[in-house]
Amino acid sequence: QVILRESGPALVKPTQTLTLTCTFSGFSLSTSVMSVSWVRQPPGKALEWLALIDWDDDKYYRTSLKTRLTISKDTSKNQVVLTMTNMDPVDTATYYCARTLDNGAYNAFDIWGQGTMVTVSS
Amino acid sequence: DIQMTQSPSSLSTSVGDRVTITCRAGQSISSYLNWYQQKPGKAPELLIYAASSLQSGVPSRFSGSGSGTDFTLTISSLQPEDFATYYCQQSYITPYTFGQGTKLEIK
Repeated sequence: QVILRESGPALVKPTQTLTLTCTFSGFSLSTSVMSVSWVRQPPGKALEWLALIDWDDDKYYRTSLKTRLTISKDTSKNQVVLTMTNMDPVDTATYYCARTLDNGAYNAFDIWGQGTMVTVSS
Repeated sequence: DIQMTQSPSSLSTSVGDRVTITCRAGQSISSYLNWYQQKPGKAPELLIYAASSLQSGVPSRFSGSGSGTDFTLTISSLQPEDFATYYCQQSYITPYTFGQGTKLEIK
C-alpha cells in the first residue's frame, strides 16, 4: 500500500522559510519510474504544481517560484523535503505531496498525501 | 509555461445526466493529459491518465478522449458521488500545469 504524509508548521510568519516534509511508504524513490511532486491549493482556488524530484535526483520547479523553492530527497528515510523562502500571505494554501509515476509513455500524480494547511500571517 | 483552460468553470447538473468537460492546452501536448477529481476537504484523485486510460478502480462511466490541444472528460451517467471539482493537468513538459477546475453542482 502506497502512503504519503505531509508534515510541517501550520503557521509561518511573513519572510520566514517554510520547510515541509513528505514521508512515504510502499515505494522507493530509487526506482526509475518514480518521482515525487509538491502541489499546493490556496483556499477556494485551483491546484498549482510546485516542484518535482525524480529517482535520479533531477529537480524541476514552477517558473514563478523557481528562486524561492528547493526540493531534496533522502532515499534512505523515504522522505522528500520542500523549502520555500520569503513566505508571504499569498502562499497560504494546502500543500500536497504526490507520487509521480513516469514510465516514458505517460506520467501522472497517482497517489496523493492528505495535505497540510499552511497559513502565512504575522 | 503551457496554459490549460477548462470549460465550463461550473455546471449545474442532475443525477443520471451525461456530462462533458473540456480542456484546451495552449500548445500541443500529444496525449500527456490527466484528469483528477477533488471532493471538498479531500486530496485530488487520479481518474484518467494519458488522455484516455482509466485509472485502476475508477468506474467505467468516466472516460477521456482527445489529443494535441483539445481534450474531454465525459461522465456517462452522473452519480451522487460524482459531484465534485474536476481538474485537467498536462504532463507533457515541466513546469506541469493544471486547468482552473470545473465544479459540478446539483441542480
